[in-house]
Amino acid sequence: DIQMTQSPSSLSASVGDRVTITCRASQSISSYLSWYQQKPGKAPKLLIYGASSLQSGVPSTFSGSGSGTDFTLTISCLQPEDFATYYCQQSFTTPHTFGQGTKVEIK
Amino acid sequence: QITLKESGPTLVKPTQTLTLTCTFSGFSLSTSGVGVSWIRQPPGKALDWLALIFSNDDKRYSPSLRSRLTITKDTSKNQVVLTMTNMDPVDTATYYCAHSYGSGLYGMDVWGQGTTVTVSS
Repeated sequence: DIQMTQSPSSLSASVGDRVTITCRASQSISSYLSWYQQKPGKAPKLLIYGASSLQSGVPSTFSGSGSGTDFTLTISCLQPEDFATYYCQQSFTTPHTFGQGTKVEIK
Repeated sequence: QITLKESGPTLVKPTQTLTLTCTFSGFSLSTSGVGVSWIRQPPGKALDWLALIFSNDDKRYSPSLRSRLTITKDTSKNQVVLTMTNMDPVDTATYYCAHSYGSGLYGMDVWGQGTTVTVSS
């Protein structure tokens, strides 16, 4: 299995901050990397696919970058509705493993 | 508009078999490149990918659960069924189904609301 490691596991930030979450794959996954946002009691929501493509309807404050083994999700200007848990997932090969999640909390 | 909805028992006993149904609309599982995955999330824990079925009936499973899982599709009913045998309390989780296409490059773009399953005697 390909292991996905996110960092940090949690972070505290303020509205308006720039936030960066990283995800590392245990082997190259090309650009087969997606990012999801999950709020308590809700299903995950796709934010980014193909490592850097913004899903339709997702604010442009979200962006993704990277390829191979190292990836980044950036929120350029944190909004109140962005406080949530974020997961990366590889779909290069099955099992389509997820990272352990990064919880973004209010400072 | 694509929608998916999971259904099944909320409570199962240890050693029993769990059967979950994902009923969807807005797409066809006979369309090339389309897939439906199952993912679960134990309380307070991370997402855990379980299985995937493609429109060509190719099936993929989590290696750690492969012996316990079966995924099938009924194209005429717009349903995907996941069975998990020999349930254990550690299988207590919210179970989601999700739509994907394009061999995974485009992610899982639409998810069901999830169904919570508790394993307890």
